[in-house]
Amino acid sequence: DQQVKQNSPSLSVQEGRISILNCDYTNSMFDYFLWYKKYPAEGPTFLISISSIKDKNEDGRFTVFLNKSAKHLSLHIVPSQPGDSAVYFCAAGGVSSGSARQLTFGSGTQLTVLP
Amino acid sequence: NAGVTQTPKFQVLKTGQSMTLQCAQDMNHNSMYWYRQDPGMGLRLIYYSASEGTTDKGEVPNGYNVSRLNKREFSLRLESAAPSQTSVYFCASKVAGSPYEQYFGPGTRLTVT
Repeated sequence: DQQVKQNSPSLSVQEGRISILNCDYTNSMFDYFLWYKKYPAEGPTFLISISSIKDKNEDGRFTVFLNKSAKHLSLHIVPSQPGDSAVYFCAAGGVSSGSARQLTFGSGTQLTVLP
Repeated sequence: NAGVTQTPKFQVLKTGQSMTLQCAQDMNHNSMYWYRQDPGMGLRLIYYSASEGTTDKGEVPNGYNVSRLNKREFSLRLESAAPSQTSVYFCASKVAGSPYEQYFGPGTRLTVT
């Protein structure tokens, strides 16, 4: 049973337009959400995060929105650039106790930004 | 500052062979993690270590063992490799001062024939 779901395996957008990547979760205990970006043959790199006490967090071209009632978050990239082409993973934390702070990842969305 | 390093980068094993994947971090992080990435499955947690001397099972621990040798190093062992363990393996450590952010290594691509 996937607790974090990214239902779109792929997304293509034109350079300069907005990219919107979506993520849904089922466990209401999750209280922290992160987005990671992954290029081929590299490890995932942290992009942006949001705590459940907020509904929006912005960092440059990247904004994450959280809708707790819908158990949904989205990542907006404006404007999209060809270098943004990568796999984007949504991750959630908050259900584990202790200091290890485990994350649960979605299956990823391949974003392609067309020049 | 190398961050998180993993060796080897690539490995091909025959069914039944054993091997150890090495991971080291130089950021003085307490918690470390091993994940596997399979197509359409995202990253799944195999084992984790909250601190030196402790290890715990994640979502998919069967067929694997781990050792937290010291604060820097966290190794993953496959005692008898199976084709189902063909995957890309990532090691990560938790960033100090952040509630959940993890820093990932470059990965090991393992093929079991």
